[in-house]
Order: sequence, then structure tokens, then C-alpha cells
Amino acid sequence: EVQLLESGGGLVQPGGSLRLSCAASGFTFSSYAMSWVRQAPGKGLEWVSTISESGGTTYYADSVKGRFTISRDNSKNTFYLQVNSLRAEDTAVYYCAKAGTAAAALWGQGTLVTVSS
Amino acid sequence: EIVMTQSPATLSVSPGERATLSCRASQSVSINLAWYQQKPGQAPRLLIYGASTRATGIPARFSGSGSGTDFTLTISSLQSEDFAVYFCQQYYNWPTFGQGTQVEIK
Repeated sequence: EVQLLESGGGLVQPGGSLRLSCAASGFTFSSYAMSWVRQAPGKGLEWVSTISESGGTTYYADSVKGRFTISRDNSKNTFYLQVNSLRAEDTAVYYCAKAGTAAAALWGQGTLVTVSS
Repeated sequence: EIVMTQSPATLSVSPGERATLSCRASQSVSINLAWYQQKPGQAPRLLIYGASTRATGIPARFSGSGSGTDFTLTISSLQSEDFAVYFCQQYYNWPTFGQGTQVEIK
């Protein structure tokens, strides 16, 4: 089955860190750019970060640049989002998506990150 | 950043009726425009890409049109499962989304 499965979300204090993971299955993972998209509670969608097929090129939204790092391990069919220096406004459901900076036909179920003291 | 503006914010439609949703870009995005459907507690579902191409498995009652700055999603005859929030997304450059249109039962 073609799917993406996120993990790693949780409650973290302001200034804290988490590593989100997205495990892919059912397709040739190393052939696709992958992305993270987030959605604050009751709000719209924000494209956060994209990584190329090889991992050699990465892109970030200005709102997270310098704080978040995207990476991938093609041997494990998994990619990651390291989120540091978290702020209250980073509270959101984080979705992984099979897409470069384009339309996303496959999404994970989402993992909730809550930043609160 | 390209700003995407959707209208209306809420659309009240009776089952079986046609729904027309609009999306406007702050600058031309050519046809680099997608539409998504999202239901509560679920991830977005891709409906349309390239402004008018239906994604795999999307029923023919969904259609997209437009180019440049003005785009439309039309649902020809609303079914019960179509009541949801719809987002447009441009991917001409760094992807950005509209704020969404809630399609509710009239």
C-alpha cells in the first residue's frame, strides 16, 4: 500500500526541540522529492520545507529558516524534520507529503506539535 | 510571496446543486494551481492540479478552470461527501495556499 506515516510529535516547551519522522512505503522513495506542510489549529495550510530526491537540495519557508532542518535516509525510506527553537506559533499538525514544491497527491495522517509551557 | 485569496469564505449549497469556488492569485501563476479537499481530522486530498487536470480517482463532477490569476473549482452536483473545506494552492514559486472555502449544507 502506498502510504506515508508520521511520528514524533508531542508537547514541548518554548525553545525546545523535536524530530519528526515520515516513513514511506509502496513507492520508490528515492525517486521523489518530499515535503512537510503544517496547519495550525483551525487555520490554513503552510508549506514548510522540501528536500530533493538525493537530499542534496533543501528549501525552507522564511518562517522556519534557521530553526528547522529537513533530511532523509533513502536506505530507510524515511525523511525527517528537526524542529528547534520552537515557538508558540509553531503549534500545528505537521503533514508529510510526497511532492516537491508542487501539487501533493499523497499525504500522511499528520502529527501534532504543541508548543506550550 | 504570492498571496492566494479564496471566495467566498463559506458557501451554503443544497445537495444536488452546483457549487462554484473562486481563487485569485496576487500575481500570475500560469496554470500552476491545485485544489484540495479537507474534511475534519483528515489530511488534504488532491482534487485538481495544473488548474484543470483531475487527480487519480477524483469524480468527474469536480472540474477546475482558469489561468494566470483567476481560477475556479466547480462541483457540478454536490453529494453528501463533498461538504468540506476546499483550498487552492499555487506552485509557480514557493507554494502558498488560500485560506479555504467551507462548503456547508444549506
